[in-house]
Amino acid sequence: KAGVTQTPRYLIKTRGQQVTLSCSPISGHRSVSWYQQTPGQGLQFLFEYFSETQRNKGNFPGRFSGRQFSNSRSEMNVSTLELGDSALYLCASSLYQGAYGYTFGSGTRLTVV
Amino acid sequence: TQLLEQSPQFLSIQEGENLTVYCNSSSVFSSLQWYRQEPGEGPVLLVTVVTGGEVKKLKRLTFQFGDARKDSSLHITAAQPGDTGLYLCAGGVGGGNKLTFGTGTQLKVEL
Repeated sequence: KAGVTQTPRYLIKTRGQQVTLSCSPISGHRSVSWYQQTPGQGLQFLFEYFSETQRNKGNFPGRFSGRQFSNSRSEMNVSTLELGDSALYLCASSLYQGAYGYTFGSGTRLTVV
Repeated sequence: TQLLEQSPQFLSIQEGENLTVYCNSSSVFSSLQWYRQEPGEGPVLLVTVVTGGEVKKLKRLTFQFGDARKDSSLHITAAQPGDTGLYLCAGGVGGGNKLTFGTGTQLKVEL
């Protein structure tokens, strides 16, 4: 079966712009979580969605937002981009909230210049 | 704030050697997962342990969850070049899917 699909794979944006990243979970998986990975901070939790509702949120500013659609696909948006937002953004899905173990996508590499 | 410290941070060994990676925290976790990540890809789940003292074996990999559920270890026997990658532990609390990831151990296995 198809894995977690993230688009686009690579993105270059200018400071001040906004960006939307997309994630299609494994078919049947209803929980989608987003993580930011940087060399300095490692993997940090952004938010989790289940049944179109945000269930958990990490310690990121309000510029970071997300949503989940009825087909479980999810998007995350970052507004007013800063240089420090350059990172690998990873989406992960699981069957349901509380299911042990994620399946991660390959990520979207965002570079802010 | 929950933190997971991994040691060592870097490990470069020869094929056939054994190694152990440690994952330590002052916090209690309800589950502990181990992932391996290769460059340009997302982490891949290796194992989940949920019971204090639990030991799981996956071929040459042995995972242990500490009795107090604050620490874990990953032992690799007879390492192979294919084991090269970034190893990450991740702790979960409660019923949600929010994970706290460890600082990572970069392993390189050379011929």
